[in-house]
Amino acid sequence: AQSVSQHNHHVILSEAASLELGCNYSYGGTVNLFWYVQYPGQHLQLLLKYFSGDPLVKGIKGFEAEFIKSKFSFNLRKPSVQWSDTAEYFCAVSSFNQGGKLIFGQGTELSVKP
Amino acid sequence: DAGITQSPRHKVTETGTPVTLRCHQTENHRYMYWYRQDPGHGLRLIHYSYGVKDTDKGEVSDGYSVSRSKTEDFLLTLESATSSQTSVYFCAISGSGQGNSPLHFGNGTRLTVT
Repeated sequence: AQSVSQHNHHVILSEAASLELGCNYSYGGTVNLFWYVQYPGQHLQLLLKYFSGDPLVKGIKGFEAEFIKSKFSFNLRKPSVQWSDTAEYFCAVSSFNQGGKLIFGQGTELSVKP
Repeated sequence: DAGITQSPRHKVTETGTPVTLRCHQTENHRYMYWYRQDPGHGLRLIHYSYGVKDTDKGEVSDGYSVSRSKTEDFLLTLESATSSQTSVYFCAISGSGQGNSPLHFGNGTRLTVT
């Protein structure tokens, strides 16, 4: 069965610090990968997605992620975080022809200190 | 934002009572999903639908049933609510079941079972 693991449960950074959130998945076939963000009290919003092609994908608000197939990883990065990036971040995976279901990681709570 | 409305937004109910949550979409998407969000677990799929009257179970379906009589509405029913079903419930929609289309989420329903 597919699974997604996010190793960092809570990350605390100061503004302007660089961010990297880890995500690993287990699935032997072709996958599609997503990062979602949930601001306090809000619903999940798509940050970025990877389906195929260039393994370095850019999303909204200056976020990017790199797909490393050999490591089954899809880590999220941002060079310089802002206080407004305080949120919970979820990595998710889907596979072909499985009804579009997403399997989510446990989430990483990011707190950015001004 | 995708046209997804969840109702009610908040509900408090007693153990043993039935509860129905509603998800309404205006995007005419074929695929609809119910997830629950709990701290430390991320989002977990309860049930999903791939068309009118076509539904299937997710990873945490026990104690829940769903119905989809129209494209735009997907109902989640807790047959006899228990305290372990206290959670935030999110509905999501997708235009594709191939896994290569992101899910769009509603604003959630916060359910408390006392």
